[in-house]
Amino acid sequence: DAMVIQNPRYQVTQFGKPVTLSCSQTLNHNVMYWYQQKSSQAPKLLFHYYDKDFNNEADTPDNFQSRRPNTSFCFLDIRSPGLGDAAMYLCATSPGGPLSTDTQYFGPGTRLTVL
Amino acid sequence: GESVGLHLPTLSVQEGDNSIINCAYSNSASDYFIWYKQESGKGPQFIIDIRSNMDKRQGQRVTVLLNKTVKHLSLQIAATQPGDSAVYFCAENNNNDMRFGAGTRLTVKP
Repeated sequence: DAMVIQNPRYQVTQFGKPVTLSCSQTLNHNVMYWYQQKSSQAPKLLFHYYDKDFNNEADTPDNFQSRRPNTSFCFLDIRSPGLGDAAMYLCATSPGGPLSTDTQYFGPGTRLTVL
Repeated sequence: GESVGLHLPTLSVQEGDNSIINCAYSNSASDYFIWYKQESGKGPQFIIDIRSNMDKRQGQRVTVLLNKTVKHLSLQIAATQPGDSAVYFCAENNNNDMRFGAGTRLTVKP
């Protein structure tokens, strides 16, 4: 089945140790998103790629970076995780298009713990 | 600033009853809205959407109502079941930019 896959589902890292979260999709969607979701809160958009074009949210810390080497894969890099970065990280995709208002399809998320 | 939000953080209903979850939005230019269901430890799951040229849309056991006059969105779940227990988010999507409301936790009592 076509889907959005996130690996790993659970990630533990140490304070300050770089970590990379992975997302892949078989939907061939143009747009891929990364969200951060803390406990009992709504998902917060960090950034998204429209094809190869990177779109950063104004309030996303520099500590968070992203890479999209091809249509199927997108990575979230946290350069120096702090305790406040512990959260669920959600990847989503949408078909995309100019001035698009598409539904987004979410992966299961990666829960990050920072020790 | 512009925002999407929910009136109530929690809702508890009896199994078999109908549920109504509300959402207020402030951006009058918004033209597309989505309801998501999120179960514990999982990603948001699409339930139903509606565009601003409609005021009602029905799915299986779910209905979304849009009142543009008062910028209000609601999700109605008929004959609520234990499996409906989750957090429900409304979201507003403009040009690949989606903003979530705060979420309502629905608990279904047997």
